Amino acid sequence: AQTVTQSQPEMSVQEAETVTLSCTYDTSESDYYLFWYKQPPSRQMILVIRQEAYKQQNATENRFSVNFQKAAKSFSLKISDSQLGDAAMYFCAYRSAMANNDMRFGAGTRLTVKP
Amino acid sequence: DAGVIQSPRHEVTEMGQEVTLRCKPISGHNSLFWYRQTMMRGLELLIYFNNNVPIDDSGMPEDRFSAKMPNASFSTLKIQPSEPRDSAVYFCASSTGGLASEQFFGPGTRLTVL
Repeated sequence: AQTVTQSQPEMSVQEAETVTLSCTYDTSESDYYLFWYKQPPSRQMILVIRQEAYKQQNATENRFSVNFQKAAKSFSLKISDSQLGDAAMYFCAYRSAMANNDMRFGAGTRLTVKP
Repeated sequence: DAGVIQSPRHEVTEMGQEVTLRCKPISGHNSLFWYRQTMMRGLELLIYFNNNVPIDDSGMPEDRFSAKMPNASFSTLKIQPSEPRDSAVYFCASSTGGLASEQFFGPGTRLTVL
């Protein structure tokens, strides 16, 4: 079974600075999808960014970008110009390209943004 | 679009009571997921449906848990009888079913079993 590991339970960043959240995963598959979700104190899970494994180019969404290293099975999230509203739990998730819709989540990283 | 709707938002009950959590997915979405989130175990998939049919319920903890999806716009997760260790936040999510499609989450139901 695929597993997703987020080795940083907590991270903090100064407002306007850049922070990188780590995620590694274990799989024997070659085709899959990776996601980063944000969960603010409101509890609402919000998609931040997604990456298709067959794409070599790293996904980017405004201040959010990923560093996808397929051989290393690594999928880190970089937040540039951090804002107070970025403070939240961040979850990395893996979905197989097989027929099922199962999505595996990491344990999460709590990000604090200091003013 | 109102997004995924869950009710109730908070539920406090006593051990042994039956609990029913409700979910209305986004219209047009044909996949629905139930998750449980706790500090100890993180976010766990309990069960998911495609086109109202349960596909994988291997995450359901035990027979006390059951889920139904009688139609495309409604699903329930029932716990009977409830136990204190069932206390958690339960999320419902829906998606269009495409492999690259994101799952849209509801606001969650915080369940406390005393």
